[in-house]
Amino acid sequence: KAGVTQTPRYLIKTRGQQVTLSCSPISGHRSVSWYQQTPGQGLQFLFEYFSETQRNKGNFPGRFSGRQFSNSRSEMNVSTLELGDSALYLCASSLASGTVPTQETQYFGPGTRLLVL
Amino acid sequence: GEDVEQSLFLSVREGDSSVINCTYTDSSSTYLYWYKQEPGAGLQLLTYIFSNMDMKQDQRLTVLLNKKDKHLSLRIADTQTGDSAIYFCAEYSSASKIIFGSGTRLSIRP
Repeated sequence: KAGVTQTPRYLIKTRGQQVTLSCSPISGHRSVSWYQQTPGQGLQFLFEYFSETQRNKGNFPGRFSGRQFSNSRSEMNVSTLELGDSALYLCASSLASGTVPTQETQYFGPGTRLLVL
Repeated sequence: GEDVEQSLFLSVREGDSSVINCTYTDSSSTYLYWYKQEPGAGLQLLTYIFSNMDMKQDQRLTVLLNKKDKHLSLRIADTQTGDSAIYFCAEYSSASKIIFGSGTRLSIRP
């Protein structure tokens, strides 16, 4: 079974630009969560989508948005990029119909490393 | 507010047990987690424990939860070089989101 894939793996943007990251979950998984990892702030939850609906949201400004398509693929968009948005963005896919990830159901992608200059 | 704290570094000798500690603040957390992150290998959900449990054992891993003190620990028995990684403690908070600690970097001495 193919794992969670994220594209692109690496990205360089400049301040003020916008970026779209993509995540394809494991086949059959309907929940996709996004996380941001930075050296300063650590790992932070961005949002979770389930069946095309945003179910949970972390404490990030409105510049961070996402969506999920009918095939469960998800995209994350960051507008008006700032230097502090440089991070590793991780996507996790889950089979569970509930919001709580468990060991048997949550799988992470390799991440997209975004550098904002 | 919600917060998860853990020490930044731990060094143990190969073959010894490693104990990584974590404290959290949300007393209504329902699940507590340990994640492992290896360089180039992404993030992995290692194990979890329900808040109504005191202990969970899974092969070399033992998770202990002291709900009164809001203290969580991960014990790795017979630590091997392959256990070198960053270990994140996390709680599933009452706000229905996951809060991570800053991560503990575990290094193994020969």
